[in-house]
Amino acid sequence: KAGVTQTPRYLIKTRGQQVTLSCSPISGHRSVSWYQQTPGQGLQFLFEYFSETQRNKGNFPGRFSGRQFSNSRSEMNVSTLELGDSALYLCASSWGRGTKNIQYFGAGTRLSVL
Amino acid sequence: EDQVTQSPEALRLQEGESSSLNCSYTVSGLRGLFWYRQDPGKGPEFLFTLYSAGEEKEKERLKATLTKKESFLHITAPKPEDSATYLCAVQDFGNEKLTFGTGTRLTIIP
Repeated sequence: KAGVTQTPRYLIKTRGQQVTLSCSPISGHRSVSWYQQTPGQGLQFLFEYFSETQRNKGNFPGRFSGRQFSNSRSEMNVSTLELGDSALYLCASSWGRGTKNIQYFGAGTRLSVL
Repeated sequence: EDQVTQSPEALRLQEGESSSLNCSYTVSGLRGLFWYRQDPGKGPEFLFTLYSAGEEKEKERLKATLTKKESFLHITAPKPEDSATYLCAVQDFGNEKLTFGTGTRLTIIP
């Protein structure tokens, strides 16, 4: 069974540009969550989508946005990139229902903003 | 707001030297406490989930325990391949969000 797939694995952008990251969840999983990982802050929750609807959102500016498609694949977009957006962006998928619900992570997209 | 504190930040052990990692947490209503392992350049790999105080789970050389305020990850007779960063996270009943600690970087010396 395939795991969570994130593309691309690496990205280099310059300040002011925008970027789109993609996540394909485990087959059958309907929830996709996004996290930002930096050395200083650790893993921080960005948002979660379930059945094409954003259910939860973390404390990030509006420049960070996402969406989910009918096949559960998800994308996140960062507009007007800043140097501080350099990080590992991780996607996790889960069933999204029930009390015993485990999130499985992809390998991440490493974003460098110059 | 949910909070997770892990200690120590880093731990170096000789191969075969057992130890424990600590995860202290505050959460409005615990839905689950999760342990993940992360290797450099990779995403977190799921290890365990614990749901109620007193619960224990084991996998090879690892054993996770849970109380109402903290969780321990016990490592028995570790091997060099156990070297990684171990992350603890909590989830409350409000949503899917995981709140992570900053991790313990474990190094096992042959």
